[in-house]
Formats: sequence, C-alpha cells, structure tokens
Amino acid sequence: ETGVTQSPTHLIKTRGQQVTLRCSSQSGHNTVSWYQQALGQGPQFIFQYYREEENGRGNFPPRFSGLQFPNYSSELNVNALELDDSALYLCASSLVGQGTYEQYFGPGTRLTVT
Amino acid sequence: GQQLNQSPQSMFIQEGEDVSMNCTSSSIFNTWLWYKQDPGEGPVLLIALYKAGELTSNGRLTAQFGITRKDSFLNISASIPSDVGIYFCAGGNSGNTPLVFGKGTRLSVIA
Repeated sequence: ETGVTQSPTHLIKTRGQQVTLRCSSQSGHNTVSWYQQALGQGPQFIFQYYREEENGRGNFPPRFSGLQFPNYSSELNVNALELDDSALYLCASSLVGQGTYEQYFGPGTRLTVT
Repeated sequence: GQQLNQSPQSMFIQEGEDVSMNCTSSSIFNTWLWYKQDPGEGPVLLIALYKAGELTSNGRLTAQFGITRKDSFLNISASIPSDVGIYFCAGGNSGNTPLVFGKGTRLSVIA
C-alpha cells in the first residue's frame, strides 16, 4: 500500500510569486485535504477535494486554490505569495463514504517566502 | 481558525515513566484522532476514536473518547526515547468535514 506523497520537499519563493504544490493520495482513498501548519501551531484546514470538486474551505483567501485529478491526486496553488504564507503545507488523504474519518498525512512541503 | 485546547503544552519525563495528556473543546465531536509528529515530518495517526466513552489501545498508547464528546485523553505507558515528538489531538464530525487540531503537546524523554 502506497502512502501519501508530496512534492517538492522544500521550496523558496519571493513575495508576489506563485507556487504549486503536489500531493498523491494513498491508494484506495478518494479525498484529499490540505492544511497549513505554521511553526509551533497545529495544522489549519485550507480546503478539501472530493470527486474533483472543492468540498469545504477554511478561512483562507481565494488566492489559495486547488485541483483534484481523476486519479485522486491533488494540487495546491497559491498566488501573490506573502511572507506569512511561509509554513509547512500538508496534504491528507482519506476514504469518504465508508464510515471512517481517518486522515493520513504526507510528509509536507516546507515553503519559505522571502 | 478554531483550535482545540491541549495540555500540557510541553512535558519532560524520565524514560520509563507514564505520560498523560488531554484535549478539550467547546464543541462536540463525533470523532477524536491522535497524531504524533516528528520534526520535519507529517503527522502520523496513532489512534482513532468513534464512540463516546470508548477506550482504545495501540501498544503502549491508550486513548479515551470523553463521555461529553468534548474531550479526549492520551496515555503513554513506560515511555522510551522514541516517544519524543509533538502529539496532536484532532476532532472531526464526518468524513467530508475538516479536522480541527490542537496546538500540540511537546514530549521530551530523558534517558
């Protein structure tokens, strides 16, 4: 069974630039959720994708957007990067519709905005 | 955004000691999950709880779903150095709703 993978591992961007982060879900899972984790904090929910559509969004501006593909992998796009966007970005996959609510996380992408 | 209250924030214990930590919320949850995160890694699921009052074990770890559905507890028995890390609780309500996390309890084990 393949776990959740994310790429890239680390990324350094300049304020105002755009970034795309990628996530491959665990085999057999149909849902991907994205979280932002600032230093010393717990993960904060950004949005979730189910059946290739956004299925819930946290308190993040529209410059945070995403996609889910037919193979259930997903992208997180952030436009007009700000210094406060520096964080660990985590994706988590889960299987919705089977009565379990467990989410399994990837290793994360560390984004630094300078 | 909303966060759960975890305590203690950090703890230093001797190897071999037992550890207890808890998590409280002002809202009811139908699911409580406990994760462990090592530096530079993603959180790893330890235990999932689905029923109020439920007590579930995973090796030396035992977690309980509070009967009010607003809290959960995690105990680690006979701690070892590899238990070092940050432990997060997370509450959820259904498969397609987001998890709400606490700020974590940082555990240090002194050999």
